[in-house]
Amino acid sequence: AQSVTQLGSHVSVSEGALVLLRCNYSSSVPPYLFWYVQYPNQGLQLLLKYTTGATLVKGINGFEAEFKKSETSFHLTKPSAHMSDAAEYFCAVSERGYSTLTFGKGTMLLVSP
Amino acid sequence: DSGVTQTPKHLITATGQRVTLRCSPRSGDLSVYWYQQSLDQGLQFLIQYYNGEERAKGNILERFSAQQFPDLHSELNLSSLELGDSALYFCASSVARDPWRSGYTFGSGTRLTVV
Repeated sequence: AQSVTQLGSHVSVSEGALVLLRCNYSSSVPPYLFWYVQYPNQGLQLLLKYTTGATLVKGINGFEAEFKKSETSFHLTKPSAHMSDAAEYFCAVSERGYSTLTFGKGTMLLVSP
Repeated sequence: DSGVTQTPKHLITATGQRVTLRCSPRSGDLSVYWYQQSLDQGLQFLIQYYNGEERAKGNILERFSAQQFPDLHSELNLSSLELGDSALYFCASSVARDPWRSGYTFGSGTRLTVV
């Protein structure tokens, strides 16, 4: 069975500071990993995904994530936070042959001036 | 605009009632997924349809049902509504039967409030 754990339901950073949102997964086979962002009153939007190949994945809005198999992690980072990054972020996992994505509970990113 | 259309955006109804939520997938997508998002449970998978057939079932209550029509739009029917059914209901779509390579495209959701 696959599962996702996102450490920290809320993360607060100052504008211009490093953003680090943590995601650990559990999967019995090579995983496919995703980060989604949800802005207030909107649906989820795909930020980036890891399927195979390069373990450092670049996404939209300057975000990137690194797949670390030994740590079963897929943490999301951005070098410099912007006020517009304030949103809820969801990590998700899937596997070949699975018909669905399994989501973590989400991390709310708060950005202060 | 993601291309996945959900209607209505907001719905307020009384306990015991029945409602229907509608989803039109992105053009070319054959799979439709329904998720329920609540503060305490997070995003819970309900059900998936692929090209008109039920493909996978998650934590969907017996009071809830869904279908996908020949034009690929889908409807989620919620009956005998309870206060605890108040949540955001999302529809997502993907071109493939299995989303492990591409992920989903989400609609903007229907906010259901049961009073």
